[in-house]
Amino acid sequence: DAKTTQPPSMDCAEGRAANLPCNHSTISGNEYVYWYRQIHSQGPQYIIHGLKNNETNEMASLIITEDRKSSTLILPHATLRDTAVYYCIVRPHNFGNEKLTFGTGTRLTIIP
Amino acid sequence: KAGVTQTPRYLIKTRGQQVTLSCSPISGHRSVSWYQQTPGQGLQFLFEYFSETQRNKGNFPGRFSGRQFSNSRSEMNVSTLELGDSALYLCASSLSGGQSSGRSGYTFGSGTRLTVV
Repeated sequence: DAKTTQPPSMDCAEGRAANLPCNHSTISGNEYVYWYRQIHSQGPQYIIHGLKNNETNEMASLIITEDRKSSTLILPHATLRDTAVYYCIVRPHNFGNEKLTFGTGTRLTIIP
Repeated sequence: KAGVTQTPRYLIKTRGQQVTLSCSPISGHRSVSWYQQTPGQGLQFLFEYFSETQRNKGNFPGRFSGRQFSNSRSEMNVSTLELGDSALYLCASSLSGGQSSGRSGYTFGSGTRLTVV
């Protein structure tokens, strides 16, 4: 699986948009970008994923650059409950490839 | 619908003992994966089971093993426990893999926190 690089920590004011970057310069053509988050002492929670187009769901938006070498997860109106470690993961959609390779993630702290 | 259920939530064992952890996936999910999370190594993939067969395996010693039952429930076993096995053990389920697991990815349980003393 391709590796990802994320800043170790970020702060964001409550109510503002939180923009979390991820670098995945070695991503292959068949690999998707996934984002998960982990709130303290809980299991990781799926947020969003995409291949090359921008994606949006009820939780967040995912912006993938045209060359697919980096992406940004956007939480449009951050709340205190968004304080968590955010993981950016790339993996192919191959049947039988049921493995997520987690990096160190970004610890996002929402400031009141 | 019910999420992924892991039991027990907390466990304390002594070095040299063995332990069995249980995971009940979301109804209809056939793939169950196990992960170990420690402060030093982060989240690491242990293995994945699908239709009662181990399909993928991470880089862990043979003391770590697992199995899956016909109802997709899974157990993992750690024998001859070491202090370094103290960790949060997470289970994740998905439908079956490939495109079918794409939309929602994996659903994780809350984990079993194992402490080895």
